[in-house]
Amino acid sequence: GDSVTQMEGPVTLSEEAFLTINCTYTATGYPSLFWYVQYPGEGLQLLLKATKADDKGSNKGFEATYRKETTSFHLEKGSVQVSDSAVYFCALTQRTGGFKTIFGAGTRLFVKA
Amino acid sequence: DSGVTQTPKHLITATGQRVTLRCSPRSGDLSVYWYQQSLDQGLQFLIQYYNGEERAKGNILERFSAQQFPDLHSELNLSSLELGDSALYFCASSAEGGATNEKLFFGSGTQLSVL
Repeated sequence: GDSVTQMEGPVTLSEEAFLTINCTYTATGYPSLFWYVQYPGEGLQLLLKATKADDKGSNKGFEATYRKETTSFHLEKGSVQVSDSAVYFCALTQRTGGFKTIFGAGTRLFVKA
Repeated sequence: DSGVTQTPKHLITATGQRVTLRCSPRSGDLSVYWYQQSLDQGLQFLIQYYNGEERAKGNILERFSAQQFPDLHSELNLSSLELGDSALYFCASSAEGGATNEKLFFGSGTQLSVL
């Protein structure tokens, strides 16, 4: 079945460091890919998305490119801030047995001042 | 604020009991999704409803059931509760639930503790 695998956390970085969170997926067909972020005590909220191969999603300095050849959607940010500390979830939505959105396990990011 | 409302925020109960979690979707959204978030299982999709009808089913136990009412709010019923059912239960909504590029809007969750 469809699945999403993302790097285990926690990831601890200093402010202004470069961030990469790896995400790979397994799916038939052409899923849309998403990154959601969860701040402490809150629900998930969409960070960015890409709907077809080679699309780049971007928001708030974060970027991810839909790579069909490597089935990947890695999240990057050039300079992280303390306020970026959160849990990041990679997800895909596939039209298989209904439009299910499947999430990865989440990667916790800590950014130190 | 996502516009999705979940009640209650916290629920403490005992094994063997039954509870009902409630979700009001964003105004105008027709689809409601339920997810279970636990430390060992991550975020697991349980079930989706669209305009009152079940549309997709995930890893939902037989002890769990859900429904979506004509006013589009949804309830998740958990019965014969076990310790392992302790988790954070999220509801999400989307406009249609029929396109792969739709984003989900999440509520703040209901933290269920089974003692």
